[in-house]
Amino acid sequence: DAKTTQPPSMDCAEGRAANLPCNHSTISGNEYVYWYRQIHSQGPQYIIHGLKNNETNEMASLIITEDRKSSTLILPHATLRDTAVYYCIGASGSARQLTFGSGTQLTVLP
Amino acid sequence: GAGVSQSPSNKVTEKGKDVELRCDPISGHTALYWYRQRLGQGLEFLIYFQGNSAPDKSGLPSDRFSAERTGESVSTLTIQRTQQEDSAVYLCASSLAPTSSNTGELFFGEGSRLTVL
Repeated sequence: DAKTTQPPSMDCAEGRAANLPCNHSTISGNEYVYWYRQIHSQGPQYIIHGLKNNETNEMASLIITEDRKSSTLILPHATLRDTAVYYCIGASGSARQLTFGSGTQLTVLP
Repeated sequence: GAGVSQSPSNKVTEKGKDVELRCDPISGHTALYWYRQRLGQGLEFLIYFQGNSAPDKSGLPSDRFSAERTGESVSTLTIQRTQQEDSAVYLCASSLAPTSSNTGELFFGEGSRLTVL
């Protein structure tokens, strides 16, 4: 799996967009970028993934730079329930072992 | 149920005892994973099953840890002669069989919290 680097913590005001960065400068051509989040005392939850193109689903948007060395997860209108640890993971599409790093603790403030 | 189910949700045991943790994956999910999460830390991969076989056991920390899966369904993680360092939340996840276009979307259970006194 590619090594990823994320800030340890971020704050965001409720209702604002939360932009969570991730550096993955060593990612290889066949590795996807996956995002998961873990709300306190729960199991991790899949959010979104992408390879080259930007992706959007009902939870979030994923912006991947053209050189694929970094990406940003965007929660367009953060709510208090979005407070969680967010993990960025680089792994091949058929990878069976996802390596979860320390992630970013996002705190949404009222 | 619709999700991954794990039991027990909480287990307190004495050092040296054996424990068994159970995981019921989502029906139809042939891939099953065990992870460990110590307090305040990230997830550590333990083992992966495809069907009933385990092609990747690289994360099992010692020979005190073993896991099996039967009927391409339920999995049991067994820890023998538990140590205090085994205290953690043990998370199980399942997914569809891997393909070249697999999303890598793992569905996690709520975990089993193990406390070794």
